[in-house]
Amino acid sequence: AQKITQTQPGMFVQEKEAVTLDCTYDTSDPSYGLFWYKQPSSGEMIFLIYQGSYDQQNATEGRYSLNFQKARKSANLVISASQLGDSAMYFCAMREKVSGNTPLVFGKGTRLSVIA
Amino acid sequence: DTEVTQTPKHLVMGMTNKKSLKCEQHMGHRAMYWYKQKAKKPPELMFVYSYEKLSINESVPSRFSPECPNSSLLNLHLHALQPEDSALYLCASSQEWRDPGGSGNTIYFGEGSWLTVV
Repeated sequence: AQKITQTQPGMFVQEKEAVTLDCTYDTSDPSYGLFWYKQPSSGEMIFLIYQGSYDQQNATEGRYSLNFQKARKSANLVISASQLGDSAMYFCAMREKVSGNTPLVFGKGTRLSVIA
Repeated sequence: DTEVTQTPKHLVMGMTNKKSLKCEQHMGHRAMYWYKQKAKKPPELMFVYSYEKLSINESVPSRFSPECPNSSLLNLHLHALQPEDSALYLCASSQEWRDPGGSGNTIYFGEGSWLTVV
């Protein structure tokens, strides 16, 4: 079973508008972290934002915010005031505690295109 | 700027060549990772090193040989590769999971090494 599901293969957004990228996850571990990464065409995987399973408030980092709904097991990324440079692939990922150095499990990604 | 450095950025090698990908981090992390990413796909885990010991090998073919000489360095030795091994290879590092660790539980990636096997 997939642990991370991203249902939007591609999204378009007008410059300066906000956009929400969807992510749902599946885990039985009470301790886990959810991450969003941006990958431009250059290939670098850029960390954007983190949400811990015990965090009471939604995470925010500049124009990025994470809409965390624990009961629904969703962790949607909201990008406000989109810029042309936001055009990239976006991956939702999860890391479970299980053992000390568990790796990331990625969703299939959403390709975001920002239109001028 | 990423604090995980990968070299080379681009590598073209023949199927009989021996080459290596290198990764270095100076964040004091004790876990390091190799991921392989094919075009239009998410990264797939290959290896995990924890405290310089191999802790996870995702059934990777033996033509890929990882090495962790010390806590800051991670190598991936390549030998007798196939054209289907052409991909982006991503190195990453992190600290051990901590509760609550906050964003300290983040796994940080390098810029990647684009490998083409001809």
